Order: sequence, then C-alpha cells, then structure tokens
Amino acid sequence: AQKVTQAQTEISVVEKEDVTLDCVYETRDTTYYLFWYKQPPSGELVFLIRRNSFDEQNEISGRYSWNFQKSTSSFNFTITASQVVDSAVYFCALSERVNKLVFGAGTILRVKS
Amino acid sequence: DSGVTQTPKHLITATGQRVTLRCSPRSGDLSVYWYQQSLDQGLQFLIQYYNGEERAKGNILERFSAQQFPDLHSELNLSSLELGDSALYFCASSVAGNEQFFGPGTRLTVL
Repeated sequence: AQKVTQAQTEISVVEKEDVTLDCVYETRDTTYYLFWYKQPPSGELVFLIRRNSFDEQNEISGRYSWNFQKSTSSFNFTITASQVVDSAVYFCALSERVNKLVFGAGTILRVKS
Repeated sequence: DSGVTQTPKHLITATGQRVTLRCSPRSGDLSVYWYQQSLDQGLQFLIQYYNGEERAKGNILERFSAQQFPDLHSELNLSSLELGDSALYFCASSVAGNEQFFGPGTRLTVL
C-alpha cells in the first residue's frame, strides 16, 4: 500500500531562515513518482516538482531544493532564505504508475517578518 | 493560473440535495482527476477519467458519480448530500504519465 508521512504538522520560521520540510513514503512498487505541491492561503494547489524513482539526483530551483534518498524512502524539501510569501501548506505526494496521487497530511509553514 | 477551470467556486446547499461540479482540463490533457480535501480526511483521490473512460477509482462514495464528456470536460455529481460532504473539491488534469495540474477548487458547504 502507498503511504506518505509528513511528520511536521506546522513549522514557524523568521524570514531569511532556511527550512526543511520532511517527507517519508512507503510503496511496494519499484517504479513510482514523488511530488511536492504548495497550497497558499488562497487555496489552490500549485505543482512544484515531480521526481521519478529511478532518478535520485537532487534538484535545485532558485531558493527551492529537493533531496531524494531511496535508502531512507525520503523526499525532503528545503527552502533557502525563506520569505513571507512562502507561507503556505506544503504537500508531499506519491504516485505509482502515474495515476492517483496519495498525499501526506501536509506541513503548514509560517514565515514571519 | 494552472489552465484548469472549475465552476462554481462556491456552493452552498442543504442536506439531501444534489449538486454538480464542473471541470475543464488544460488544453491537450486527456486525464481528469477528482480529489476531495476535508479537515478530517485530508486530500483524497476520488476518481480518474482518461479520454472519456473511467481509469481509476478511489474512496468515492456510491452517492457520488462522475463522467468525462467528448470535449474532455468532466462533471462530478454529488447526491443525497450530508453534512460530512462539506469540503473543497479539486479537479486536476494531466497529459498521460505526467504531473497533475489542479484547478482552483469548488468549496461545497452542506447546511
């Protein structure tokens, strides 16, 4: 069965701090896909990144970076030099054979100025 | 803007009623997915359609049904509504095998 665990319910940081959001997943498939989505206060779900199980290269996009480690079944997300606009709920999700997404419970990130 | 549109944005109705939520996928996307987001259950997959055919089903109640039309838009029908059906309903679309892009959601309130 698929499962995604985001153990951090809520994180508060001060602007310019770095913050890492944890994601641990469970799957029996050898081929799977991992995602991060952002849900700002306005409510929409914004796609951030997709990672394939056979590609363990870490990725950086501006202030965002992702660390994928198959050995620990983790796909962590780091925001460098956080900004108030980063305040949102962040969801990690898993998909087997690219169909339905199984989401974690989400981590609320509050960035204070 | 993801390119996925959903109507209406808000819906308030009474228990026992039936409502229809509408979704238009991004241009070129053949897959449409429906998700429910509630405080107690989180984000849950309901159902997927691909080019008009049902492809996958999640924990969708028997009172709920969906379809995808030849123009690829999709509708989610919720009937015999209960208080617990109050939630944010998202539609997402994708090109087969790729990331899903979500619409703005329909917030359903059942009174």
